[in-house]
Amino acid sequence: KAGVTQTPRYLIKTRGQQVTLSCSPISGHRSVSWYQQTPGQGLQFLFEYFSETQRNKGNFPGRFSGRQFSNSRSEMNVSTLELGDSALYLCASSWDGSGNEKLFFGSGTQLSVL
Amino acid sequence: DQQVKQNSPSLSVQEGRISILNCDYTNSMFDYFLWYKKYPAEGPTFLISISSIKDKNEDGRFTVFLNKSAKHLSLHIVPSQPGDSAVYFCAAQATDSWGKFQFGAGTQVVVTP
Repeated sequence: KAGVTQTPRYLIKTRGQQVTLSCSPISGHRSVSWYQQTPGQGLQFLFEYFSETQRNKGNFPGRFSGRQFSNSRSEMNVSTLELGDSALYLCASSWDGSGNEKLFFGSGTQLSVL
Repeated sequence: DQQVKQNSPSLSVQEGRISILNCDYTNSMFDYFLWYKKYPAEGPTFLISISSIKDKNEDGRFTVFLNKSAKHLSLHIVPSQPGDSAVYFCAAQATDSWGKFQFGAGTQVVVTP
């Protein structure tokens, strides 16, 4: 069974641009969550999607958005990039995101904003 | 507001000895806890979990202990192996927090020969 797939693996952008990251969950998983990891920080929760609906959202500005498609694949978008957005963006999937369910993570997309 | 804290940013342990990683939390609504291991340039991989109805869970070399009254959990790795050198994250989830986990900042473990 294939794991969580994230594309692209690396991205370099300049301030003010926008970026779209993609995530394909494990087959059968319907919940997709996104996390941001910066150096020295733990993972910070961005948002979670289930059945194309955002059910939960972290404390990030509106420049960060996402969506989920009917096949459970998800994308996240960051508009008007800032230097501080440079981070590893991780996608995770689970069956339905309910309690007592572990997350399976992809390898992440490393975003560098210059 | 950091609700999950790993106060030791790094830990060095000799091969064959026990590694003990600690994690503290502040939110009494957390009822499910996970430990993840992460190598550079890779996503975190799941190690072990524990729900709040238990105080201990074992899986091979890994044991997690939960002390709800102290809001503290620990991960024991026995015996430590060179491949255990990685960053370890604890994570906590509250009931009905769809897909949302609070993560600690991580502990870098180095296993020396």
